[in-house]
Amino acid sequence: AQSVTQLGSHVSVSEGALVLLRCNYSSSVPPYLFWYVQYPNQGLQLLLKYTTGATLVKGINGFEAEFKKSETSFHLTKPSAHMSDAAEYFCAVSMDYKLSFGAGTTVTVRA
Amino acid sequence: DVKVTQSSRYLVKRTGEKVFLECVQDMDHENMFWYRQDPGLGLRLIYFSYDVKMKEKGDIPEGYSVSREKKERFSLILESASTNQTSMYLCASSFGQGADNSPLHFGNGTRLTVT
Repeated sequence: AQSVTQLGSHVSVSEGALVLLRCNYSSSVPPYLFWYVQYPNQGLQLLLKYTTGATLVKGINGFEAEFKKSETSFHLTKPSAHMSDAAEYFCAVSMDYKLSFGAGTTVTVRA
Repeated sequence: DVKVTQSSRYLVKRTGEKVFLECVQDMDHENMFWYRQDPGLGLRLIYFSYDVKMKEKGDIPEGYSVSREKKERFSLILESASTNQTSMYLCASSFGQGADNSPLHFGNGTRLTVT
């Protein structure tokens, strides 16, 4: 069975600072990996996904994530936070046609 | 753009009532999913379907059932609502018969309160 661990349920950053959200997965084979974002009172939107190939994946809104097989990690970063990045972020892993989600990390951005 | 529409944004029901949550997608997607979202627990899969009239149990199917009579519609049924089913329910769809790398497209959710 797949599991996804997101380290830190809340992250607070200053506007313009680096955003780093951590995600580790458990899998015996390289899975498909996703990051989703949920803005207040909305459903989830896809930020980016890793399937195969390049280990650095670029997504929307300036986010990117790096797949590290040796560390079973898929951390999400953005070099410079914007107020509009305040949201909840979910890491997810797909296998056997099902998507398993982490518990989520809420990002607040301080002016 | 893919649109996944959930029929109700907010719903309040009484304990013991039968509750129907409806979801419709307009992109001819094969796969459809029902998740519930609770603080600190993320999203947990209740049921999914990768074809009409087919359904598979997810991680927390107890107390729920589903129906998929048409490709575009996936209904979640709470046979006898209980207070521990108070939650945000999210419907999603994706392309491809059982494709692992297809991203999910989500509806805006139905916040169900059972009193």
